[in-house]
Amino acid sequence: EVQLVESGGGLVQPGRSLRLSCATSGFTFDDYAMHWVRQAPGKGLEWVSGISWNSGSFGYADSVKGRFSISRDNAKNSLDLQMNSLRTEDTAFYYCVKGTFPDYRWYFDVWGRGTLVTVSS
Amino acid sequence: EIVLTQSPATLSLSPGESATLSCRASQSVKDYLAWYQQKPGQPPRLLIYDASKRATGIPARFSGGGSGTDFTLTISSLEPEDFAVYFCQQRTSWPPGTFGQGTKLEIK
Repeated sequence: EVQLVESGGGLVQPGRSLRLSCATSGFTFDDYAMHWVRQAPGKGLEWVSGISWNSGSFGYADSVKGRFSISRDNAKNSLDLQMNSLRTEDTAFYYCVKGTFPDYRWYFDVWGRGTLVTVSS
Repeated sequence: EIVLTQSPATLSLSPGESATLSCRASQSVKDYLAWYQQKPGQPPRLLIYDASKRATGIPARFSGGGSGTDFTLTISSLEPEDFAVYFCQQRTSWPPGTFGQGTKLEIK
C-alpha cells in the first residue's frame, strides 16, 4: 500500500521559516515525481511545487517562488519543502502528493493526509 | 496561466440520479485534464485522467469526456458516497498545474 506521511506543520509567525517533510513507502520512490499541494481551510486546491524523479527539473507556483524550496532524497524515500519568509496567506493544509510520471508536469495520484501550517502573530 | 472554471458551484441531486459536472479551460488543454474527488476531512482522490481514462479502482459509473476547452464528468446513478467536492486539473501548461475552483455535489 502506498503511504505518504507529512510532518513539520504547526503555528509560526509571519516572516519565519518552517520545513515540511514527507515520508513515503509502498512504491518505488525514485520512479515518480513528487509534489506539494496546499488547501486553505474550506477553500480550493493550489499546487505549490513539484520535483521530477531525479531532481533534474522542478517548478513553483508564482505565489511561493523565491521563498519555498523543494527537495527529495531518493535514498531515504523522502520529500521536503523548505518554507521561508512565511506570510499569513500561506496558512493551509499542505499535502504531499505522488505524481503519475517521472516528470512533474503530469497528474497527482496518491495524496497524504496533510499537515496544517498556520502563519499568525 | 490557464484558468479552469467549473460549473455549477453547487449541484443538488438525489441518490440514483445522474450528475454532470463541467470544467472549462481558458485555452486548449488538448485532452490533458484530470478529475479529483474530495470528501470532508479527506485528501483528494484521482478519478479520471487524460479526460476520459478512469484511474485504478474507480467505479464505471464515473466517466469523463471532452477535449480542447470543454470537459464533463458524469456520474451515473449517484451513490450516497459520491456526494463530495470535485476538482478538475490540467497538465498542459506548467507551472502551475492549475485546478478548477471545485463543484460541490450535495444531497437534495
